[in-house]
Amino acid sequence: DADVTQTPRNRITKTGKRIMLECSQTKGHDRMYWYRQDPGLGLRLIYYSFDVKDINKGEISDGYSVSRQAQAKFSLSLESAIPNQTALYFCATSAGQGTETQYFGPGTRLLVL
Amino acid sequence: GDSVTQMEGPVTLSEEAFLTINCTYTATGYPSLFWYVQYPGEGLQLLLKATKADDKGSNKGFEATYRKETTSFHLEKGSVQVSDSAVYFCALRGAGGTSYGKLTFGQGTILTVHP
Repeated sequence: DADVTQTPRNRITKTGKRIMLECSQTKGHDRMYWYRQDPGLGLRLIYYSFDVKDINKGEISDGYSVSRQAQAKFSLSLESAIPNQTALYFCATSAGQGTETQYFGPGTRLLVL
Repeated sequence: GDSVTQMEGPVTLSEEAFLTINCTYTATGYPSLFWYVQYPGEGLQLLLKATKADDKGSNKGFEATYRKETTSFHLEKGSVQVSDSAVYFCALRGAGGTSYGKLTFGQGTILTVHP
């Protein structure tokens, strides 16, 4: 089984709708991250959490919110989706301090019409 | 703030050709440097890393050396295979201030290898 899972894998929604993307991990890591990937722009950090009680904004948090329900679960919400939020979204985890590696989920492809 | 610049792609090579993908960075302090690879339809996975100046990361025939004097971390492979076709991302892990612990990615380079 995959260590980092994301649901759904694909989603089509309409402008103005609220949607939630979910991430679960079985690696036992404290740190979790949400990124979006756009062609030619690489990955950009949306939000990150270093433990269950810690939530931090990344470089592009406007229009997004997150919830860290448990060590293993980190959800990303779009309160009112807009077309320029069409992108590929990745969740990632890492173990903690030091030069830790981040482990990525398979991604959620979101299309906002 | 921290930034990573990769050579523009896409890069198209024949099998067994030599590969170089250039990566330079701007950062505070002494960041750790990474190359991640994304195969079609999959998430990113770590290819190699280096944590201090002059370190060489290597994996699956790929190598990159952390050059602080030129702020570079170029990816090389002596003989590419069709199975190396993927998107390659250079990244740094911030070491100072508000960048601490966060990854900053380059824009990615698409590599296609033909038989």
